[in-house]
Amino acid sequence: EVQLVESGGGLVKPGGSLRLSCAASGFTFSSYSMNWVRQAPGKGLEWVSSISSSSSYIYYADSVKGRFTISRDNAKNSLYLQMNSLRAEDTAVYYCARDFPHNYWGQGTLVTVSS
Amino acid sequence: AIRMTQSPSSFSASTGDRVTITCRASQGISSYLAWYQQKPGKAPKLLIYAASTLQSGVPSRFSGSGSGTDFTLTISCLQSEDFATYYCQQYYSYLWTFGQGTKVEIK
Repeated sequence: EVQLVESGGGLVKPGGSLRLSCAASGFTFSSYSMNWVRQAPGKGLEWVSSISSSSSYIYYADSVKGRFTISRDNAKNSLYLQMNSLRAEDTAVYYCARDFPHNYWGQGTLVTVSS
Repeated sequence: AIRMTQSPSSFSASTGDRVTITCRASQGISSYLAWYQQKPGKAPKLLIYAASTLQSGVPSRFSGSGSGTDFTLTISCLQSEDFATYYCQQYYSYLWTFGQGTKVEIK
């Protein structure tokens, strides 16, 4: 069974940093591109970042470019999102999702940016 | 970036109704269009990909059509468990954008 489990969310002050993790199981992690998608409270879905299976291709939404860094460790079956210079508008539930289209999603982890 | 526009943003319907949600892309995306269903407090669920291919395990009352810039999601006979928010997403090109969502509520 495919499982994606996010962790690392929490409350952080504006300008602060946070690192999200996504632990994958039930499939060959190294064969799939992975993604982060977020959803602000009461709002729609926003694609944030994608990384190819071997990390050769990395993409970011304009809203996070230069502040967020996506990475993966195929030996550990894990996906990461390093978030720096956080802003109030980054407050959201962050989901990791497999492949395109996103056929598997984690349960999400809440990031709250507030003073 | 390709803009995805869904209509309507929300509507009310009754169990048994046939409902249609539309999604328009600001430029052609061939058939690289997916539909997701999301219920409150839950992760989205993939319903349809490649504009019209039903994801495994999704009931056949869901169907998708379209190509290029105009797409539709149809639920042939609305069930109680279908009251949710639906999103389209293009995966044709970088900046893989979602529509703003369509909330289907109980009349």
